[in-house]
Amino acid sequence: AQSVTQPDIHITVSEGASLELRCNYSYGATPYLFWYVQSPGQGLQLLLKYFSGDTLVQGIKGFEAEFKRSQSSFNLRKPSVLWSDAAEYFCAVGAGEYGNKLVFGAGTILRVKS
Amino acid sequence: DTGVSQDPRHKITKRGQNVTFRCDPISEHNRLYWYRQTLGQGPEFLTYFQNEAQLEKSRLLSDRFSAERPKGSFSTLEIQRTEQGDSAMYLCASSLLGFTDTQYFGPGTRLTVL
Repeated sequence: AQSVTQPDIHITVSEGASLELRCNYSYGATPYLFWYVQSPGQGLQLLLKYFSGDTLVQGIKGFEAEFKRSQSSFNLRKPSVLWSDAAEYFCAVGAGEYGNKLVFGAGTILRVKS
Repeated sequence: DTGVSQDPRHKITKRGQNVTFRCDPISEHNRLYWYRQTLGQGPEFLTYFQNEAQLEKSRLLSDRFSAERPKGSFSTLEIQRTEQGDSAMYLCASSLLGFTDTQYFGPGTRLTVL
């Protein structure tokens, strides 16, 4: 069965510092991979997604992620974090016959120090 | 595009009562999904519809849960004889038909069972 592991429950970075959130997945074939962000009181918002092609994916709000098949990873990065980036971040893999049933990791809470 | 809306946003009920939640998807979206998110966890897939047909149900969806999408528009999720373990955030998402199409999430309905 497909699964997603986000090893870090909490991460704290200083405003302006770089960020990397880790995501490892378990899936037999080529995975469909997603990063969503959830702010308090807000719905999940898609940051970026990977289906095929270029393994470095650009998303909204200056985020990018790199798919590494050999490491079963899809880590999210941002070169310079803003205070407003503080939120919870979820990695997900598409499962089911059509890959449209999302299996989420447990999330990483990002705290930003000013 | 008004986004996915859910009603109510919060529901407090006593154990044993029935509750019903409503989701209004983005108007042209054919697919509608229900997920459940408990504290400290990522969302878990419950079920999804393509138009009015319910195509898949998770084993998490016990016999006390039922979902409908009459006429392929809004959807309702009913929980009968609620238990304290049903306390969670219930999320609705919608998408177009393509397997690469993004799932857009609503703000969720937070259920508390006393």
